[in-house]
Amino acid sequence: NAGVTQTPKFQVLKTGQSMTLQCAQDMNHNSMYWYRQDPGMGLRLIYYSASEGTTDKGEVPNGYNVSRLNKREFSLRLESAAPSQTSVYFCASSDTNVLTFGAGSRLTVL
Amino acid sequence: AQSVTQLGSHVSVSEGALVLLRCNYSSSVPPYLFWYVQYPNQGLQLLLKYTTGATLVKGINGFEAEFKKSETSFHLTKPSAHMSDAAEYFCAVSEDTNAGKSTFGDGTTLTVKP
Repeated sequence: NAGVTQTPKFQVLKTGQSMTLQCAQDMNHNSMYWYRQDPGMGLRLIYYSASEGTTDKGEVPNGYNVSRLNKREFSLRLESAAPSQTSVYFCASSDTNVLTFGAGSRLTVL
Repeated sequence: AQSVTQLGSHVSVSEGALVLLRCNYSSSVPPYLFWYVQYPNQGLQLLLKYTTGATLVKGINGFEAEFKKSETSFHLTKPSAHMSDAAEYFCAVSEDTNAGKSTFGDGTTLTVKP
């Protein structure tokens, strides 16, 4: 049982490049989330999807887009990466009030 | 609006000693409260949660937390620290059942000395 799988685990980008972080869950959860974690800070919600076909902004959505491709998959896209987007990104899914997290994707923007 | 404050970004204890990690919250409605643990290069893992009912909540790995409404606190404790408890711990508060919209604290790094 894989839980929540994120790819890639590591990525280095140059300013202005684009990329997509992929997330998939196999727990049949309705809700999925993308967070970023910066040093010395807790997680901040970027976007979430309460169900297939819906997405909503979280606390820090600027510079990001998301797609809920189906019930299993929720991707996060950086259209034009900036150094301020250097962070560790976590995907999570939930059923009721229990979150299950992926292992994270470490992104560096030079 | 919801918010959470974790007192002490670093806590160091000796193996076998009491672990106490402090969390205070603010919420305009009865809160849902969570503690998560994060080991290096891993995602967060739920330790325990308070939703309603009993105010003393037991979690995994021998941890427990007590919801104290009058003190707006949800401190995490463990009677006897193990080396394997060394990790970062996050308190989180949510004003509804959607745990994904929680506000997370800045985290407390627990070091366990032999």
